[in-house]
Amino acid sequence: SAVISQKPSRDICQRGTSLTIQCQVDSQVTMMFWYRQQPGQSLTLIATANQGSEATYESGFVIDKFPISRPNLTFSTLTVSNMSPEDSSIYLCSVGETDTQYFGPGTRLTVL
Amino acid sequence: EDKVVQSPLSLVVHEGDTVTLNCSYEVTNFRSLLWYKQEKKAPTFLFMLTSSGIEKKSGRLSSILDKKELFSILNITATQTGDSAVYLCAVGAASGYALNFGKGTSLLVTP
Repeated sequence: SAVISQKPSRDICQRGTSLTIQCQVDSQVTMMFWYRQQPGQSLTLIATANQGSEATYESGFVIDKFPISRPNLTFSTLTVSNMSPEDSSIYLCSVGETDTQYFGPGTRLTVL
Repeated sequence: EDKVVQSPLSLVVHEGDTVTLNCSYEVTNFRSLLWYKQEKKAPTFLFMLTSSGIEKKSGRLSSILDKKELFSILNITATQTGDSAVYLCAVGAASGYALNFGKGTSLLVTP
């Protein structure tokens, strides 16, 4: 399976600021996904990021709040904009290989 | 609306015990069911079950899929403290690549 890294691994941010999370894969992949895991909750898909096209967002998530870039087949970024304490979560990227998804190590975000 | 329900939500067992974790689902156009182990942050892939592969085994872990009754179980035999984690069940639909996750079962194995 692909090796996935994320940066930063954790961060503490002030409300109203933005944070960009990077996801790097060691091989070219078509499908990349961004998930959010709020405290005590399971994973919720934010959006699907395909190279060369705009990200597809799930219900409840909008591009202005979570802009995503996918400049090539090994890299993607997720920005959490104008943060509030409710955005405190673990953010995970994953890559799809056939029917299976493999996850990166995650970014733990705390918003004060 | 697609739904994935895991039970129990939490479980405490002693080392050496056998545990069974449950996952029931209602998904339109079911494609696959996946089990993950989550320690700290990153979910680690365990098994994928589909119509063509309804039983999987790896060491002390095994899983079966009942497509008729719409559920899956994950068995762990001879549990070890290193098995302590949250176990997530996720279901994929034929309509896309998104996975619909359950809330997970938190397993604690005590020495």
